[in-house]
Amino acid sequence: EAGVAQSPRYKIIEKRQSVAFWCNPISGHATLYWYQQILGQGPKLLIQFQNNGVVDDSQLPKDRFSAERLKGVDSTLKIQPAKLEDSAVYLCASNYANTGELFFGEGSRLTVL
Amino acid sequence: QKEVEQDPGPLSVPEGAIVSLNCTYSNSAFQYFMWYRQYSRKGPELLMYTYSSGNKEDGRFTAQVDKSSKYISLFIRDSQPSDSATYLCAMSGPGNTPLVFGKGTRLSVIA
Repeated sequence: EAGVAQSPRYKIIEKRQSVAFWCNPISGHATLYWYQQILGQGPKLLIQFQNNGVVDDSQLPKDRFSAERLKGVDSTLKIQPAKLEDSAVYLCASNYANTGELFFGEGSRLTVL
Repeated sequence: QKEVEQDPGPLSVPEGAIVSLNCTYSNSAFQYFMWYRQYSRKGPELLMYTYSSGNKEDGRFTAQVDKSSKYISLFIRDSQPSDSATYLCAMSGPGNTPLVFGKGTRLSVIA
């Protein structure tokens, strides 16, 4: 079974530039999550999708972050404009609805200079 | 007070030692308790999954949950250098509520 795929693995940008991350969850997983993991911290939820609907985006900084999950499969997370404090690893995870176990991708590491 | 508290370490132990990792939490609605292991530059992977209070054992790993004290633990017996990683506790409430993670404890097992 293929795992959660993310790209790009690494990205370096200047502040105020934009960046987009892509995630392909495990086939059949209805729920998709984006987490932000700052160095030395645990993952923090940014947004949760159930199929192509948003379940929880209360911690998403909506003035600069946006996310979509078209057709209930792939998802894209965008940051525009980026700030220095956005430097982090962006983790995508998926699971079947109503189960606790999350399956994570390897993450997209963003450095903002 | 943060919802989930975890000592970040780092923790360094000799090979073969018993390791104890702990988390405390404040939200009494949490029902599902997990431990994830995260190797450097990798995503977290599920190690142990427990529902409500009690113990669960899987090989060298034992997870304990004490809901009355809002305290969870992970024990690693006969620790190996390959156990060197960051261990994240995570928990969630009923339904499809998202996981809340601790900061993670960085463990090094020295051969």
